[in-house]
Order: sequence, then C-alpha cells, then structure tokens
Amino acid sequence: KAGVTQTPRYLIKTRGQQVTLSCSPISGHRSVSWYQQTPGQGLQFLFEYFSETQRNKGNFPGRFSGRQFSNSRSEMNVSTLELGDSALYLCASSFGTRTYNEQFFGPGTRLTVL
Amino acid sequence: AQTVTQSQPEMSVQEAETVTLSCTYDTSESDYYLFWYKQPPSRQMILVIRQEAYKQQNATENRFSVNFQKAAKSFSLKISDSQLGDAAMYFCAYRKFATGANSKLTFGKGITLSVRP
Repeated sequence: KAGVTQTPRYLIKTRGQQVTLSCSPISGHRSVSWYQQTPGQGLQFLFEYFSETQRNKGNFPGRFSGRQFSNSRSEMNVSTLELGDSALYLCASSFGTRTYNEQFFGPGTRLTVL
Repeated sequence: AQTVTQSQPEMSVQEAETVTLSCTYDTSESDYYLFWYKQPPSRQMILVIRQEAYKQQNATENRFSVNFQKAAKSFSLKISDSQLGDAAMYFCAYRKFATGANSKLTFGKGITLSVRP
C-alpha cells in the first residue's frame, strides 16, 4: 500500500505570494492532519480534516487555510506569505479520528519564503 | 493546555549500547496516549512506540521500550543495542483521548540522537 504523498517536495516563494500544498493520504484513510515544523517552534498542529470537514484547528492566523476533497486528498493554502512561514509542512493521514488511529506521516513539503 | 517537554536537545550513544531519552508532559486529563516518533534525516516521521495512559504495563517494541510514570508525568524511551540506523531526531508526543475532534498530536521539541560506530 502506498504511503502518504506530498507535493511538491520543495518550494521557493517570495513574500506576499500565496502557495498551495497537496497531500494524498494512504488509500482508505479519511482523516488528514497538517503540521508545521520549524527549528524554533518545533512541530505545531495546523488543522485536521475528516470527510471533507475541518474537525480541529490550531492556533494559526487566517492566512492558513485548508480543504479536503471527496477522495480524501487535502490541500493547504497560505496566502500573503511571510518570511516566518518558511518551514517543513507535514501531512499525516489516519483511518479515522479515534485516538488509537495511528497517524502516518508524509515526507513533507519544504517551503522557503524569500 | 497540554505541554510536552524534552529537555535534552542532543544525545549520543555508542553502537550496541543502551540509551534513554527523557520526556515529561503536563495534562489535566486522565485518558490519553503518549508516543515516540522517529524522524530520520530523510524527514519521514515514523511511529516508534505508543502507550495508552490507562495501561500500567510499559509498552515494548523489539529494542524499544518505555518507562511510563503516570503520577510523575514522565515518559522515557529506552533504546537497547543501539544501531547506526537509530540515528535520528526523536519526538515525544501526547494525544488526548477523544472520539471525534481534538485528536491532534502535541509534540515536544525533539532530541537529536547520534550513534557512534
């Protein structure tokens, strides 16, 4: 079974631009979560989607948004990019939203904002 | 709010020896899960081991075991017979028990483990 895939793997943008990152979960998984990883802040939860509905949201500004499609693929969008948005963005999928459902992580998208 | 603390940023271990990575957490919940994740230089995060708070028995997975002290809110990872492939960043994580939303993972800052040949 294929793992979680994220595209693109690397991205370079300039301040003020917007960016869309994509995540394809493991086949059969309906829950997708997004995390931001930076050296200073570590791993921080962005949001979680299940069955096309946002179930939980972290403490990030409204510039960060996401959505999930009927095939469970998810996208996250960051508008008006800032230098501080440079980070590794990780996506994780799980079968459901139960605590015991293991989350499987993708390789991440490395975003650099210049 | 729940917090996870990993106070040691780096550790080193000789190949074939044992190393223990420390983690403490703070929560007012009684039901939760704790995890150790490994993130090798390739960046793909993988689950190493998990512990359900309601279980008194410490979890083990081959060379990996935990020492879970619920009252002290401590959750350390022991790696026995360390191998070169164990070199990675290790994250301790907490997840509140829930049947719907609020199932996010809260991570510690991580610890970089190096293995000396």
